[in-house]
Amino acid sequence: QVQLQESGPGLVRPSQTLSLTCTVSGGSVSSGRYFWNWIRQPPGKGLEWIGYIFYSGATNYNPSLKSRVTISTDASRTHFSLNLTSVTAADTAVYFCVRGASSGHFGGWFDPWGQGTLVTVSS
Amino acid sequence: QSALTQPAFVSGSPGQSITISCIGTNGDVGAHNYVSWYQQHPGRAPQLIIFEVNNRPSGIFNRFSGSKSDNTASLTISGLQAEDEADYFCASYTSRSGYVFGTGTKVTVL
Repeated sequence: QVQLQESGPGLVRPSQTLSLTCTVSGGSVSSGRYFWNWIRQPPGKGLEWIGYIFYSGATNYNPSLKSRVTISTDASRTHFSLNLTSVTAADTAVYFCVRGASSGHFGGWFDPWGQGTLVTVSS
Repeated sequence: QSALTQPAFVSGSPGQSITISCIGTNGDVGAHNYVSWYQQHPGRAPQLIIFEVNNRPSGIFNRFSGSKSDNTASLTISGLQAEDEADYFCASYTSRSGYVFGTGTKVTVL
């Protein structure tokens, strides 16, 4: 079964770029059935969808973050990454990488989730 | 895109049934059946428990059930057990802005 694991710096300075990588084991980003997401959760708060990359390379981002977000994958198709530019303290959160699935051409659900990684934005 | 509205707290005694509501709009919850629910224990990642309004993934107990009416989705936990104490989030697809989550509900087993 597929498993996801986030990796990256736990501390980012304000105005810098947050960069995280998700390693997909037991599967591939190339699978046409799934879309690959980043979702975050500020400490003690709710969940926020950041965006996804589809197997074709197409992306879709949360409009509130779109100007600062890039999600990409690598040639091996076993990793996908998140870049979030110009971070502030409001970007401090646990970041999850998550596989998405759907029975149709859109919509769907999120399963499984990586364990999450806390990224703190502070000087 | 505003978060879907959930009650902050719901509680029940062991064996009882509780229901958590998730109120959206005709642009998200009311527009289709792509509503899902997630259970999150402290310090853990969320886990899918319901997808497409009322479907359970394999391995999820049938004590969990989902429904939807107009712009409101609901999660019912029947025969409440101690291990059901957790946070619960709903989520919906929205054609305008991707996906939106609910505000979250903390379930306490008395």
